[in-house]
Amino acid sequence: RKEVEQDPGPFNVPEGATVAFNCTYSNSASQSFFWYRQDCRKEPKLLMSVYSSGNEDGRFTAQLNRASQYISLLIRDSKLSDSATYLCVVNKNNFNKFYFGSGTKLNVKP
Amino acid sequence: DAGITQSPRYKITETGRQVTLMCHQTWSHSYMFWYRQDLGHGLRLIYYSAAADITDKGEVPDGYVVSRSKTENFPLTLESATRSQTSVYFCASSESAYQETQYFGPGTRLLVL
Repeated sequence: RKEVEQDPGPFNVPEGATVAFNCTYSNSASQSFFWYRQDCRKEPKLLMSVYSSGNEDGRFTAQLNRASQYISLLIRDSKLSDSATYLCVVNKNNFNKFYFGSGTKLNVKP
Repeated sequence: DAGITQSPRYKITETGRQVTLMCHQTWSHSYMFWYRQDLGHGLRLIYYSAAADITDKGEVPDGYVVSRSKTENFPLTLESATRSQTSVYFCASSESAYQETQYFGPGTRLLVL
C-alpha cells in the first residue's frame, strides 16, 4: 500500500469554481503535512503546510483529519493560473523522509 | 540569489555508463535530498543527507551512490546506468528538521538508452 494516495484527476473546472482535493495517508504516526504545487515540467514548490487546526491562505484552505488519516485542499474562486498538479506530502516522525503522493491534476478552463 | 541548482539539466547516456548528477545550494541548508519522479509514482526519495559527511538511504537507493564532502554540494552518481533509471531527478534542500519546507532544484531529465 502506498504511503500517500491521491486521485490523479484531472479535475476540469471553470474559472471561479470551488474545487477540493483529498489525500489519504497510511501511517498514523505521520507528523507533518504539506501541499506542494507542480507546474508542467517544473519543480515542486510549497503551497502550504497543513496544521492540525487547519489553515487558510487567501483562496486556499487546508484541513487535516487525523482520525480518518486524510488531508484536504480547497481552492475557492479558481483562476486559470491555478492549473497545475497538486502534490500531497507527508512526513514520518524522527527522520527526514518525506512521502509524496502522485499528485492531482487541476485544469481551470476559461 | 542562486538558490539551488542542478546540472546537467538534460542527459542522455547508455546502459552501463556511470553518470553523476550535480546539485548545489547557496543557502547553507543542512538537509539535502535526491528524488526521482516517474509517472504513477510521484516523487520517491533516493538518498538524503543531514549534514556534510552524513548520508542515509531513502525509499529507492539501489544503483545510486551519494557523497557530501561540502555542505553546499550533494552529487548523485548512477554507478552503472540502467533503463529503469530513466527519470526526472530533483534535488532539494531544507534548513533543518522534518517540519521545514523543502526547496527544489529545477530537475535533471535523464534518458538511459
